[in-house]
Amino acid sequence: AQTVTQSQPEMSVQEAETVTLSCTYDTSESDYYLFWYKQPPSRQMILVIRQEAYKQQNATENRFSVNFQKAAKSFSLKISDSQLGDAAMYFCAYRSASTGNQFYFGTGTSLTVIP
Amino acid sequence: GAVVSQHPSWVICKSGTSVKIECRSLDFQATTMFWYRQFPKQSLMLMATSNEGSKATYEQGVEKDKFLINHASLTLSTLTVTSAHPEDSSFYICSAYSPLPNEKLFFGSGTQLSVL
Repeated sequence: AQTVTQSQPEMSVQEAETVTLSCTYDTSESDYYLFWYKQPPSRQMILVIRQEAYKQQNATENRFSVNFQKAAKSFSLKISDSQLGDAAMYFCAYRSASTGNQFYFGTGTSLTVIP
Repeated sequence: GAVVSQHPSWVICKSGTSVKIECRSLDFQATTMFWYRQFPKQSLMLMATSNEGSKATYEQGVEKDKFLINHASLTLSTLTVTSAHPEDSSFYICSAYSPLPNEKLFFGSGTQLSVL
């Protein structure tokens, strides 16, 4: 199984400010996909953003953007203009493009948004 | 609306009984479904991968005779926890995989199992 590491168990951000969540992964593959999922208190997993490894351009979705550093195997999530509804657990995930459809998740980062 | 329906959302059962959890993809055909287990404030642990019409592939350490998975159709996968014990109490999440070009992993809303 691939290893996905989130080194920040907890993070906090002031409302309207910007926060960056870290994720690193270990793989010997060259083609894969990376994801950030959000799990609010309802525990429903929600896709935040997706990145294909073969694309150099960083993915963006409204207030959410990633900093994908393939050589460093780093995939951080930046949340701009943080809102109270952004408070949740955030999971980084990896999927191989060639060895099955399994998604491997990091340990998660709990984000608190301070009003 | 939800594209993956998971039922029930919570269940309480007595030790020794079996519990079945259903996972349905509502508006697409899921050739692959995954079952995860999540302990409080922890990550999702992949239990097994379920492919339609074939036997599920279990992750190391997951007892296949205890966690029976059936994926008889492209829209339905079931997880049966057999002879449940208190240590099986957990939050179980299913997900359905939609392949390229619009690859996504859709999650069910989860099932909280409490075994007394």
